[in-house]
Amino acid sequence: KAGVTQTPRYLIKTRGQQVTLSCSPISGHRSVSWYQQTPGQGLQFLFEYFSETQRNKGNFPGRFSGRQFSNSRSEMNVSTLELGDSALYLCASSDPGTSGVSEQFFGPGTRLTVL
Amino acid sequence: SQQGEEDPQALSIQEGENATMNCSYKTSINNLQWYRQNSGRGLVHLILIRSNEREKHSGRLRVTLDTSKKSSSLLITASRAADTASYFCASRGGSGTYKYIFGTGTRLKVLA
Repeated sequence: KAGVTQTPRYLIKTRGQQVTLSCSPISGHRSVSWYQQTPGQGLQFLFEYFSETQRNKGNFPGRFSGRQFSNSRSEMNVSTLELGDSALYLCASSDPGTSGVSEQFFGPGTRLTVL
Repeated sequence: SQQGEEDPQALSIQEGENATMNCSYKTSINNLQWYRQNSGRGLVHLILIRSNEREKHSGRLRVTLDTSKKSSSLLITASRAADTASYFCASRGGSGTYKYIFGTGTRLKVLA
């Protein structure tokens, strides 16, 4: 099976702009989670989607939003970009099955730089 | 901070030695997972351990979980230069929670 893919891999934006990142999970995986990784804050959970529903959200402002499509692909959007949004954005997919517990498989990430 | 803690923050050992990393978390958990990350790339899943398990092995990796102390440890035996990476634990809370809280990570350097 193909792994988790994220596009684009690198992105440069200026303050005030908005950005959309895309994540395609492993085929058959219905759960997609998003994380932000920065040197100062480490890995922070953004949100998790399962079958097009957001089940959990991290402590990020409303400028960060996401959605999941019927084919499980997910997008996250950041509006009104700030310098502090510069980070590696990671997407992870999993297939919880009936136990609700499964490994998360991560994509390579999108490196966002805000100037 | 929501983050779990890991120690040590950095570890430097010789090839062939064992490396032990510790992780502490703050709330009761459903499961805990360990990941490896090379130079700011994506994370590679290593081991998942459920809250009712105490120890798991995978190749040269051994993970223990002590829910009474809210801690876990990752042991890498007979380390290799290729094990040089950052290692993270991620804990998931009980029912109704689907988010993972990551630890601060341990940077491991294995010297050839």
